[in-house]
Amino acid sequence: LAKTTQPISMDSYEGQEVNITCSHNNIATNDYITWYQQFPSQGPRFIIQGYKTKVTNEVASLFIPADRKSSTLSLPRVSLSDTAVYYCLVGDMTVGGYSTLTFGKGTMLLVSP
Amino acid sequence: KAGVTQTPRYLIKTRGQQVTLSCSPISGHRSVSWYQQTPGQGLQFLFEYFSETQRNKGNFPGRFSGRQFSNSRSEMNVSTLELGDSALYLCASSLNRVSTEAFFGQGTRLTVV
Repeated sequence: LAKTTQPISMDSYEGQEVNITCSHNNIATNDYITWYQQFPSQGPRFIIQGYKTKVTNEVASLFIPADRKSSTLSLPRVSLSDTAVYYCLVGDMTVGGYSTLTFGKGTMLLVSP
Repeated sequence: KAGVTQTPRYLIKTRGQQVTLSCSPISGHRSVSWYQQTPGQGLQFLFEYFSETQRNKGNFPGRFSGRQFSNSRSEMNVSTLELGDSALYLCASSLNRVSTEAFFGQGTRLTVV
């Protein structure tokens, strides 16, 4: 699985847009980019997944440039409840799927009033 | 529909004892994976089961084992517990081995004293 690099932590205020960037320079052709959110003492929760360009759902948007060597998770108008650790994962969904999810250290997002 | 259920939620054991943790995946999901999460090492893959067979195993000693039943429920066992086994153990289920997302349970908090 491709290695990912994310900022260790980020701070924001309620109502702001937060963008978390993940670098994955050695991403392979079949790799997808997936983001998970984890609150303390809970399991990670799937946020969004994409392969290229832009993906949007009710929770977030994922921007992937043409070279796919990085991706940006965008959280619009964050609230206090968005304080969590965000993980970026890159992997080939056609081989073993989620059997060997490799989680990095993630980004600790702290949202303040 | 019901999510992934892990039991028990909390457990305290003594060094040298053994422990069995249980995971009931989402109905219809056939793939179950186990992860260990500690503050120092983060989330680490333990093993994956699909159709009652272990498909993949992480880099953990043989004291860690698991199994999956015909109804897809899974158990993991840790024998001869060590203090370092204290962790949050997470179970994730997915529809099959190439699903687009995995659903995590809330985990079992194991404390070894």
